[in-house]
Amino acid sequence: GQQLNQSPQSMFIQEGEDVSMNCTSSSIFNTWLWYKQDPGEGPVLLIALYKAGELTSNGRLTAQFGITRKDSFLNISASIPSDVGIYFCASSRGFGNEKLTFGTGTRLTIIP
Amino acid sequence: DAGITQSPRHKVTETGTPVTLRCHQTENHRYMYWYRQDPGHGLRLIHYSYGVKDTDKGEVSDGYSVSRSKTEDFLLTLESATSSQTSVYFCAISPSSGNTIYFGEGSWLTVV
Repeated sequence: GQQLNQSPQSMFIQEGEDVSMNCTSSSIFNTWLWYKQDPGEGPVLLIALYKAGELTSNGRLTAQFGITRKDSFLNISASIPSDVGIYFCASSRGFGNEKLTFGTGTRLTIIP
Repeated sequence: DAGITQSPRHKVTETGTPVTLRCHQTENHRYMYWYRQDPGHGLRLIHYSYGVKDTDKGEVSDGYSVSRSKTEDFLLTLESATSSQTSVYFCAISPSSGNTIYFGEGSWLTVV
């Protein structure tokens, strides 16, 4: 099946640092989504991208849809304790959500 | 709160027994999905529904069946549970295929 390579698998940072994570694929996708999952809960959508080259922000979060349509990145600026969690990229070959493929996640930990 | 209720939230069952997980939504959304989440695999789509009695297979549908007899309920059935089906199961909903997917809180299933 389709695969998304998400990196890094885990990150240990100090509060206030900026964070960057990305997803790559050998296939072209038309939709890129970024989700955050807190322990014991379902994923929550952070940012949705539908156009190659699109750069979208949501507060301290910024994500971009790669121009080749094979990758996307998510940046978090000035991290705070509530940013802790697992971040997932997800993508679809269509413009809908029927068959999203998810990355394996990036676990973000903030060191006191 | 996306108006999604999954039941049961936790279940331990024996190999070979049938299991049904229920997803109930109060949003009247057309699309409903069942995903499973396993370490190292992210979330993988099992089945989805695009309307009452309209369903389609996802990436990992073997061993699972679904039914949607009314808009608000989407049932996932494991006819004969196996240990490989030990997982966390997430239901999700969206008003249309091009909209945000909202996830439920998950159902933890252990097959012993």
